[in-house]
Amino acid sequence: ESVLTQSPGTLSLSPGERATLSCRASQSVSSNSIAWYQHKSGQAPRLLIYGASSRATGIPDKFSGSGSGTDYTLTISGLAPEDFAVYYCQQYANSPFTFGGGTKVEIK
Amino acid sequence: QVQLVQSGAEVKKPGSSVKVSCKTSGGIFGSNGISWVRQAPGQGLEWMGGITAVFNTAKYAQKFQGRLTITADKSTTTIFMELRSLRSEDTAVYYCAASGTYYPSYSDSWGQGTPVAV
Repeated sequence: ESVLTQSPGTLSLSPGERATLSCRASQSVSSNSIAWYQHKSGQAPRLLIYGASSRATGIPDKFSGSGSGTDYTLTISGLAPEDFAVYYCQQYANSPFTFGGGTKVEIK
Repeated sequence: QVQLVQSGAEVKKPGSSVKVSCKTSGGIFGSNGISWVRQAPGQGLEWMGGITAVFNTAKYAQKFQGRLTITADKSTTTIFMELRSLRSEDTAVYYCAASGTYYPSYSDSWGQGTPVAV
């Protein structure tokens, strides 16, 4: 089972700043099969990125993903009030499709 | 894009079972792999298992082997998740989620979530 470790656990930033979130896998993720989701309390998760770097339908280009092998990054440029949420990475290369523990992006 | 509507909140006794439904619409049934993901209070997302509905074949996380069954009913275009031998640690919000492929993958469409309290 691939274990995903996200860091930091919490990121305290001001609106307008850039957020850089990390996701490290315990083993290389084949075909860069990494997705990123945004999750707000009381709502269903929202897909942002798949294939490590492809934006999902309707996702603005302020969200970008990168990485390969075991190290992946989600970058959010120009944080807006609605971007403060918890973000999860997920690998879907091999069952079980594990999630990372999440990074909470909070207002500083 | 497929739409998913889940059944309502449940309250269960320890040792009992729960069966949550996920009604699909807006697509050809079986063209979307469906995963089940849960979130316990104060915890992160946890992938439980998924089904390739067109073949009615399911995969489960080892943690749930023997307690979890995911099935598909083509006649009602509904996916079911049954979890047995419930314990307090199973208290969570349960989501069904669809992928754009016929097999489970990343999920681009989600149900509204079903709270289950044990």
